[in-house]
Amino acid sequence: DTEVTQTPKHLVMGMTNKKSLKCEQHMGHRAMYWYKQKAKKPPELMFVYSYEKLSINESVPSRFSPECPNSSLLNLHLHALQPEDSALYLCASSPRRVRQPQHFGDGTRLSIL
Amino acid sequence: GESVGLHLPTLSVQEGDNSIINCAYSNSASDYFIWYKQESGKGPQFIIDIRSNMDKRQGQRVTVLLNKTVKHLSLQIAATQPGDSAVYFCAENSGGSEKLVFGKGTKLTVNP
Repeated sequence: DTEVTQTPKHLVMGMTNKKSLKCEQHMGHRAMYWYKQKAKKPPELMFVYSYEKLSINESVPSRFSPECPNSSLLNLHLHALQPEDSALYLCASSPRRVRQPQHFGDGTRLSIL
Repeated sequence: GESVGLHLPTLSVQEGDNSIINCAYSNSASDYFIWYKQESGKGPQFIIDIRSNMDKRQGQRVTVLLNKTVKHLSLQIAATQPGDSAVYFCAENSGGSEKLVFGKGTKLTVNP
């Protein structure tokens, strides 16, 4: 069982919809991450939050909007997505930013119609 | 440029054998390395990590070896079991960076 909880597990949405992915951890970690993973590929970093502030945006399109309401929660707001955005979206957390293992949730499988 | 890669995309072993999964990296500034296991339908699961001031680290049935001279990392799994079947990723972090760079992954299949 993972200590990083992601909801929903599956999401199907149209290109005009607005939805949000949620991530929660109660390990007291101060760094949280969003990754995108396509089939048979490694995870690709999208965003990093450190102490609830956005510290890295890997040139992600603005149709993806991250939010960190508090140290335990991380959201990813989705709007006007494209079919190529269909992927597994993974959340991770770590005690601090560098030289610490990141612990992953089981992801949200997103399908864009 | 920065890259972390794997020599073999697939590895098939017999149950009970030892498995060795390899990883090459090119960033000389990399000073922290992690191995993850990802089973179908799940997120990556932390297995073991190693810092660049070490050459070897052991866990339960797993050993990670780091050769900084040739920029090579390996994961050894002793007495491989069917439950070890998964995709294994190496990942590296260079000093001061918040970014974890993943290798391409090796799919390990354990035959009974």
